[in-house]
Amino acid sequence: ETGVTQSPTHLIKTRGQQVTLRCSSQSGHNTVSWYQQALGQGPQFIFQYYREEENGRGNFPPRFSGLQFPNYSSELNVNALELDDSALYLCASSRSEWAEAFFGQGTRLTVV
Amino acid sequence: GIQVEQSPPDLILQEGANSTLRCNFSDSVNNLQWFHQNPWGQLINLFYIPSGTKQNGRLSATTVATERYSLLYISSSQTTDSGVYFCAGANQGGSEKLVFGKGTKLTVNP
Repeated sequence: ETGVTQSPTHLIKTRGQQVTLRCSSQSGHNTVSWYQQALGQGPQFIFQYYREEENGRGNFPPRFSGLQFPNYSSELNVNALELDDSALYLCASSRSEWAEAFFGQGTRLTVV
Repeated sequence: GIQVEQSPPDLILQEGANSTLRCNFSDSVNNLQWFHQNPWGQLINLFYIPSGTKQNGRLSATTVATERYSLLYISSSQTTDSGVYFCAGANQGGSEKLVFGKGTKLTVNP
């Protein structure tokens, strides 16, 4: 059984640019959630996708957007990058909206 | 949304000691998980425990849902137990999914 995988593992972008992060869900999971973890903090919920529809969103601006594909993999897009967007971005998949979540290894984004 | 408070924020132990980490919730939760974050940032699942008690080797966890808290016990700690431990909960009435605490940073010295 393949776990949750994220790509890339590290990324450096310039302020104002756009970035796309990718996540492959664990086999048998149809729900993907994204989290942002700033240094020294706990992860914060960005949004969740269930069967290709956004299914809940945290307190993040619209420049954070996402997609889920028919194979349940997902993308997180961030437009107009700001320095404060520098963080570890974590993807989690689960069997359903409220089931146990399993996390990928994360993408570390640095905005300069 | 719910608030999650973890204590203590930092814990330093000698190898072989036991420890208890606590997680308090501001409201009832339907989903409660404990994680260990490794040095590379990955969250490793320890327990999915909305209520009751579970054990896995040297680790065990207890959630008292009616009193809105959970405890993680680590016995005979090893240096490899070092890292940050997070609890996270979700309330099906809220818009957020898992809400995380700020974590407990555990250091186990040889």
